[in-house]
Amino acid sequence: QTVVTQEPALSVSPGGTVTLTCGLNSGSVSTGYYPSWYQQTPGQAPRTLIYNTNTRSSGVPDRFSGSLLGNKAALSITGAQADDESDYYCVLYMGGGVWVFGGGTKLTVL
Amino acid sequence: QVQLVQSGAEVKKPGASVKVSCKASGYTFSDYFMHWVRQAPGQGLEWMGWINPNSGGTNYAQKFQGWVTMTRDTSISTAYMELSRLRSDDTAIYYCARSYGGNSRDAFHMWGQGTMVTVSS
Repeated sequence: QTVVTQEPALSVSPGGTVTLTCGLNSGSVSTGYYPSWYQQTPGQAPRTLIYNTNTRSSGVPDRFSGSLLGNKAALSITGAQADDESDYYCVLYMGGGVWVFGGGTKLTVL
Repeated sequence: QVQLVQSGAEVKKPGASVKVSCKASGYTFSDYFMHWVRQAPGQGLEWMGWINPNSGGTNYAQKFQGWVTMTRDTSISTAYMELSRLRSDDTAIYYCARSYGGNSRDAFHMWGQGTMVTVSS
């Protein structure tokens, strides 16, 4: 069973930089997994931040960037702001039309 | 602009079925895959499957095979997700999400507002 892994929780200081990662319980994440990232605040639908590893969705500030870091996909947030405090989810394409979400990272800005 | 508007909240008894709709506007409905994702209270996102509105072809997560049916009506640009034999742990918000391209490997881009489905006796 393929499991997509994310840090359960991270924190960042206002103005600081934080990197969230998205990995696999077995193997490395590559561009062929088409990693994507979503932000969700309580009571709201998810918002698309990044797709295809590093393509920002329209309207997403360039403080958010996607990349591959070692054997994982990564979402970096620079100049963190209070309203970046959210849950962040990655999703990976497993082939055969199948997608699997990670468990999500709860980001605290303090 | 692109919009996905979902049907309203539902309350169902265990063993019943629920059908959630997702009406698309602002783009050519048949050009993009429509995915369904659910989120149980306090839990993460779970991918359920997709439908290709052009062909009607579907692909369901293994967990939901035999249990979920995704359909579409291209004449009214609407996708549907029907879940049968409901159990209490199917209580969740169900989202439709349009892909950013016309391929099954194109991730989710635009999201509906979500539909709360409560399963309770």
